[in-house]
Amino acid sequence: SSELTQDPAVSVALGQTVRITCQGDSLRNYYASWYQQKPGQAPVLVIYGENNRPSGIPDRFSGSSSGSTASLSITGAQAEDEADYYCNSRDSSGNQFVFGTGTKVTVL
Amino acid sequence: EVQLVESGGGLIQPGGSLRLSCAASGFTVSSNYMSWVRQAPGKGLEWVSVIYTDGRTYYADSVKGRFTISRDNSKNTLYLQMNSLRAEDTAVYYCARDRVDTTMVWYFDLWGRGTLVTVSS
Repeated sequence: SSELTQDPAVSVALGQTVRITCQGDSLRNYYASWYQQKPGQAPVLVIYGENNRPSGIPDRFSGSSSGSTASLSITGAQAEDEADYYCNSRDSSGNQFVFGTGTKVTVL
Repeated sequence: EVQLVESGGGLIQPGGSLRLSCAASGFTVSSNYMSWVRQAPGKGLEWVSVIYTDGRTYYADSVKGRFTISRDNSKNTLYLQMNSLRAEDTAVYYCARDRVDTTMVWYFDLWGRGTLVTVSS
C-alpha cells in the first residue's frame, strides 16, 4: 500500500508563515486533503482538492501540489493554529486511502 | 443539524467482537460514501474502511477479513462489525462522510466525535 510522509514537527513564530509538506507516489494521481486535529478533538478538514477551503476555514490556510509532494501553508499563523496536521489521499489502488504520518505545529 | 454520532465502543477481550454504530442526521447515509477512520492512543490517523453509494466496500489491509462495514438505510446509520479483535485494534474510531468531487478529489468533510475501543484482557 502507499505511504505519505510528513515532517514530525515544525514551529512557527506568531504571525509568520509555515509550510507543511506531504510526500508520496499517490499524490502524482490524486490530490491531497488536509486535516487539523487539536488534542481530544476530532479532525477537521482545512484544505481539499487543488486549493479549496471549506466554509469557516480562515483564508490564511492554503494548499499546493507539485509532482509527488503536497503542501499546506499557514500565512500569518495564530495561536489557535497550534495542532497536529494530517494529509490524506487515495492510494495507488484507488480503493483505499492513506493518511500521512502527521505534523505537529507549534506556534511560538 | 448535520452531524455524526458514534457509539458502541468499550472494553473487549482479545478475540472478541464488537459492533460500532454511527448515527447520521441532516443528510442521508446511503446517498454518500462513508468511511471509518481510527486513531490508536498517541498515534496518527489510520483509514479503516469505506462503503460506496452502490454498496461496494473496501478495507485497509490491517483489518481485511476481520471487519465489515455496512449501513441500515431505514435507520440512517453506518456500522462497523469488528471480529477477532487484537490489542493493536485499540483506538478511537471515527466515522466520516466522504465527498468525491472527481476521481482525483476525495476528502472527508464531516467527522463524528469518535468512540473508544479498548482490546485488553
